Amino acid sequence: KNQVEQSPQSLIILEGKNCTLQCNYTVSPFSNLRWYKQDTGRGPVSLTIMTFSENTKSNGRYTATLDADTKQSSLHITASQLSDSASYICVVSAITGNQFYFGTGTSLTVIP
Amino acid sequence: DTGVSQNPRHKITKRGQNVTFRCDPISEHNRLYWYRQTLGQGPEFLTYFQNEAQLEKSRLLSDRFSAERPKGSFSTLEIQRTEQGDSAMYLCASSLWGAEAFFGQGTRLTVV
Repeated sequence: KNQVEQSPQSLIILEGKNCTLQCNYTVSPFSNLRWYKQDTGRGPVSLTIMTFSENTKSNGRYTATLDADTKQSSLHITASQLSDSASYICVVSAITGNQFYFGTGTSLTVIP
Repeated sequence: DTGVSQNPRHKITKRGQNVTFRCDPISEHNRLYWYRQTLGQGPEFLTYFQNEAQLEKSRLLSDRFSAERPKGSFSTLEIQRTEQGDSAMYLCASSLWGAEAFFGQGTRLTVV
């Protein structure tokens, strides 16, 4: 069964601190993995996309890693800001699939 | 604005009433997806169109739900005889084939 699991479910950190979010998946055959940021009451917005051959990709203060062998990905946020407070959703696509497989998300709260 | 547009943004309806939501995808995108998202959860797949053809439907899409994409452009999602359990955010996304999905802002449905 194609599944995507994320941890932790929620996280509270102080402004300026770093954090790492985890994503494990069983989607096969794997095509790509995306991290989305979803602000409350809004649609998800893509942060990064990673294909099978990519191990690390950065987008500003966001760095995503992918281990296709263990089927794990992480999203590292550096020097967090209050505006980083949101849900972060891991989405995995299969080569032969017609849909995207979503994790349940990690709710991040950055406090001053 | 050339992104995915959803209308209305918010809808409050009485139980038993019918509601219809509209999604206008990015113009060159041939795939259109509908998702439902409840508080604290990731989006759940409802249905997907490739051009005007509805290719896949989730078991979540009961017989009270119907979706159309008559000309392969905009899509509508209708819920008949709404129930309180239908209260959720309904998200629309579009993509060019299986490339990145771009999401709309969603329609927040509240059934009272």
